[in-house]
Amino acid sequence: EVQLQQSGPELVKPGASVKISCKTSGYTFTEYTMHWVKQSHGKSLEWIGGIIPNNGGTSYNQKFKGKATLTVDKSSSTAYMELRSLTSEDSAVYYCARADGYTDFDYWGQGTTLTVSS
Amino acid sequence: DIQMNQSPSSLSASLGDTITITCHASQNINVWLSWYQQKPGNIPKLLIYKTSKLHTGVPSRFSGSGSGTGFTLIISSLQPEDIATYYCQQGQSYPWTFGGGTKLEIK
Repeated sequence: EVQLQQSGPELVKPGASVKISCKTSGYTFTEYTMHWVKQSHGKSLEWIGGIIPNNGGTSYNQKFKGKATLTVDKSSSTAYMELRSLTSEDSAVYYCARADGYTDFDYWGQGTTLTVSS
Repeated sequence: DIQMNQSPSSLSASLGDTITITCHASQNINVWLSWYQQKPGNIPKLLIYKTSKLHTGVPSRFSGSGSGTGFTLIISSLQPEDIATYYCQQGQSYPWTFGGGTKLEIK
């Protein structure tokens, strides 16, 4: 069974950084790209970027360049997203999502709620 | 960026009804259109990919069609468990973008 298990909720202060993890199981980690999606409260979904676990190659939404950095640890089949210089606008639920052979997200993590507040 | 315009933004229908949600892309996305269902308090779930292909386990009352810039999601014989917000998403080019969502309620 494919599973994407994300790290827990985060409460961080403005200006800080946070690193969210997405530990995968049930499939070969290097055979699928991993993506991250933001959902602000009550709003739609925004694609942040994606990473190819096999070689670490990344693609980012221009809106999130400089804000988000995607990495992977192949040894533990885990993907990471670091967000820096956090503001209240970064408060949201962040999902990791696997892309299958097409251009859609077939499995999603449970979401990590990030709250940026002093 | 490719803009995805979804309509309606909300919809109220009766059990057993057939409903249609549309998604219009600001430029040609060929067949690279997916639909997701997000129930209240839950994660998005893939319903349809590549315009019309049903994801594993998705009931056959869901169907998708279209090409180019215009796409539709049809839900026939509406069930109580279909209460959710539905999103379209294009995968033609980066950045992949989503529609604004259609909130479906039961009358």
